[in-house]
Amino acid sequence: QKEVEQDPGPLSVPEGAIVSLNCTYSNSAFQYFMWYRQYSRKGPELLMYTYSSGNKEDGRFTAQVDKSSKYISLFIRDSQPSDSATYLCAMSAINSGAGSYQLTFGKGTKLSVIP
Amino acid sequence: DSGVTQTPKHLITATGQRVTLRCSPRSGDLSVYWYQQSLDQGLQFLIQYYNGEERAKGNILERFSAQQFPDLHSELNLSSLELGDSALYFCASSVAQTGELFFGEGSRLTVL
Repeated sequence: QKEVEQDPGPLSVPEGAIVSLNCTYSNSAFQYFMWYRQYSRKGPELLMYTYSSGNKEDGRFTAQVDKSSKYISLFIRDSQPSDSATYLCAMSAINSGAGSYQLTFGKGTKLSVIP
Repeated sequence: DSGVTQTPKHLITATGQRVTLRCSPRSGDLSVYWYQQSLDQGLQFLIQYYNGEERAKGNILERFSAQQFPDLHSELNLSSLELGDSALYFCASSVAQTGELFFGEGSRLTVL
């Protein structure tokens, strides 16, 4: 079982739809949870960052973490064509040998928002 | 613009050759990370440096090496290149060691 599982899609939705993207994980040591957005031929861009169970909202984006179920979600409200990108979940746990947190990425879900 | 600069943006070379990829982190960031991204493998962590010292190693091949210089820029050296090394190579930097990474635009390597 991979540490982080993410459905690669592709996911295609009409403009204005609510999008739900999800990841599951198996490592209980993960403490910080992130979502990155990656446009084609660009580097991943940090979108949302959270460390506790519950919801965190930022504009049209809501990140949800359920540590008991080892499940995280990203919701996009009123989706726009400009949201078309690959969304990667990422989780970090302390690497005691390195003295720093180590990030593990999901493989990414490719989203297309159709006008 | 993340503030992380990578050069070159594109590189085409032949099998058996050696290339060097360069990264300048965001101002003030002490940690530099290198990742490889291919279509089937996703983002794979290669190696991390903190203030000039190697901190963590991931799935980095022995043919690959990296270093971070006193001015905090980093170089990733790829040698004896194989077709399977064709990928996007990303550098990322972070000041807080909790996993918030800021990525450069990547170097696209094509090995023919």
